[in-house]
Amino acid sequence: QVQLQESGPGLVKPSQTLSLTCTVSGGSISSGSYYWSWIRQPAGKGLELIGLMYTGGNTNYNPSLKSRVVISQDTSKNQFSLKLNSVTAADTAVYYCARAPAALGERWFDPWGQGTLVTVSS
Amino acid sequence: EIVLTQSPDFQSVTPKEKVTITCRAIQSIGTDLHWYQQKPGQSPKLLIKSASQSISGVPSRFRGSGSGTDFTLTINSLEPEDGATYYCHQSSSLPWTFGQGTKVEIK
Repeated sequence: QVQLQESGPGLVKPSQTLSLTCTVSGGSISSGSYYWSWIRQPAGKGLELIGLMYTGGNTNYNPSLKSRVVISQDTSKNQFSLKLNSVTAADTAVYYCARAPAALGERWFDPWGQGTLVTVSS
Repeated sequence: EIVLTQSPDFQSVTPKEKVTITCRAIQSIGTDLHWYQQKPGQSPKLLIKSASQSISGVPSRFRGSGSGTDFTLTINSLEPEDGATYYCHQSSSLPWTFGQGTKVEIK
């Protein structure tokens, strides 16, 4: 079965770029029709979709973050990545990667990674 | 963006009670509505897909219903391990959005 695992620095300074990687095992990010996604959750708060990357590389970002976000893939490593620039304390959150089928009517997130806490602080 | 509003925000219940959580969308989303369970320190887990479809391995006491703008997650005969926060999620229109969550506390 497909498993996802986030990795990256747990501490980022304000105004710098947050960079995270999601490593996928048990399946290829290049095959099938899926949305490879990043979702975040500030402590004690709800879930926010950051963006999606369709198999093949097309992306869609949450308008609230669009000017600061890039999601990309490295098919040779079976990974996809998140870059969020100009971070502030408001970007402190647990960041999850997740997969959703792309077929209409089947677009739910499953599976999810375990999540990684990123703190923005000097 | 499609805002999803869950109610209640919090519910304290006794084991074996029935729990009902509602999720309302500001516009019709058909059945593109999914439910997740999140326990403290864990990632969300898919509970119900497409409003009412069950997920393999999820106990049958979890039931979903609804279409259009109004949806319900019902937990029949609550078990102690059901203490968690429950989220609805719509994938009808980008950006996909989540409800604010409903925390279910076991008395």
